[in-house]
Order: sequence, then C-alpha cells, then structure tokens
Amino acid sequence: EVQLVESGGGLVQPGASLKLSCVASGFTFSDYWMSWVRQTPGKTMEWIGDIKYDGSYTNYAPSLKNRFTISRDNAKSTLYLQMSNVRSEDTATYYCTRDVRYFDYWGQGVMVTVSS
Amino acid sequence: DIVMTQSPFSLAVSEGEMVTINCKSSQSLLSSGNQKNYLAWYQQKPGQSPKLLIYYASTRQSGVPDRFIGSGSGTDFTLTISDVQAEDLADYYCLQHYSYLTFGSGTKLEIK
Repeated sequence: EVQLVESGGGLVQPGASLKLSCVASGFTFSDYWMSWVRQTPGKTMEWIGDIKYDGSYTNYAPSLKNRFTISRDNAKSTLYLQMSNVRSEDTATYYCTRDVRYFDYWGQGVMVTVSS
Repeated sequence: DIVMTQSPFSLAVSEGEMVTINCKSSQSLLSSGNQKNYLAWYQQKPGQSPKLLIYYASTRQSGVPDRFIGSGSGTDFTLTISDVQAEDLADYYCLQHYSYLTFGSGTKLEIK
C-alpha cells in the first residue's frame, strides 16, 4: 500500500524558515518523480514544484521559485520542502504527492500557519 | 500560465440524480504527439486529502466506480457523476498537467 506521511508543520513567524518532510513507503521511491502541492484555508489548490526521481532536476511554479526548495533522499525514501522567508499567504496545508505527470497518491497533509 | 475555469462553484442534488462539473482551460490540453488530453479530476471528501478519479480526461483510476465519467477534449472538459450517492459528498477539482500544473477552483457537491 502506497503511503506518504508529511511532518514538520506548525506555527511559524513571518520571515522565518521551515522544512517539511515526507516519508514514502509501499513503492520504490527512487523510481518516481515527486511533487509538493498546497491548499489554502480558502481551498485554493496550488502546485509548488517537483523533483526528478534521482534528484537531479527540480521544477517550480514561477511565483514560488525563489523561496521554496525541493530535495530528496532516496536512501531514506524521504522528500523535503525547504521554505524560506515565509509570508502570511504561505498559510496552507502542504501535501506530498507522487507525480506521474498528474498526482496519483497524496499524503494526509501537514498544516503550516504563518503568523506573528 | 494555463488558467482553469471550473463551474459551478457548488451544487446540491438528491441521491440517484446526475451531476455535471465543467472545466475550461485557457489553451488546449491536447498533445499532438500522443493525442492525450492532459487533464485529471480529483475528489476531496471532508477532512481528507484529494483522491484521483480520472486521468487523461477520460481514464478512470483503478477502483473508481463507473458512475464517474470524464469527457471532453482540447479546452472543454466535463466530469459526470451518474446516480449520485451520499458518499459522493465532496469537493471536486480539475487539474491540467500540460504546461506546469494548475488546478480549477473546485466544485462543492452537496446531497439534498
């Protein structure tokens, strides 16, 4: 059974940094591209970016490219999202997804709240 | 960026009825190389993460009931749910993956 389990969310102050993690199981993690997607409290869904199966290439939504960094550790079957200089508009639930050009599996999501 | 315009915002139907949800893209999602439309549909039940229903516009994901039907090509796409069940209460989203990835704004399905 494919499982994606995110962690690392919480309350963070504007301007701070935060790193989310996603542990994958139930499939060969190193065979798949992976993506991060977020959903705002108003339910707007936004793709953040993706990473190639070997970690050699990343692609980001243009509006987020300079503040967010996606990485992975295939030995640990773990996907990461480094968020820097966070803003109130980054408040959302962040989902780790398996990327087969679309998203066929999603994690349960982790909430990030940006507030002073 | 490709903009996805999804409608309606919400709808309420009785069990057994049929519903249609529409997504219109600002440019064609049809690949000339493989003749596939790069459009997927998702269902998000309350308190849950999204679940894939349909990919390449009309291919049903394994395990999805056949009352969920995806159709359309180019810029206009439809998700039809026939014989709506109480368990279909959810938000539904379209996703284009032709160029980067962008979602529709969502449709809330309520059961009368």
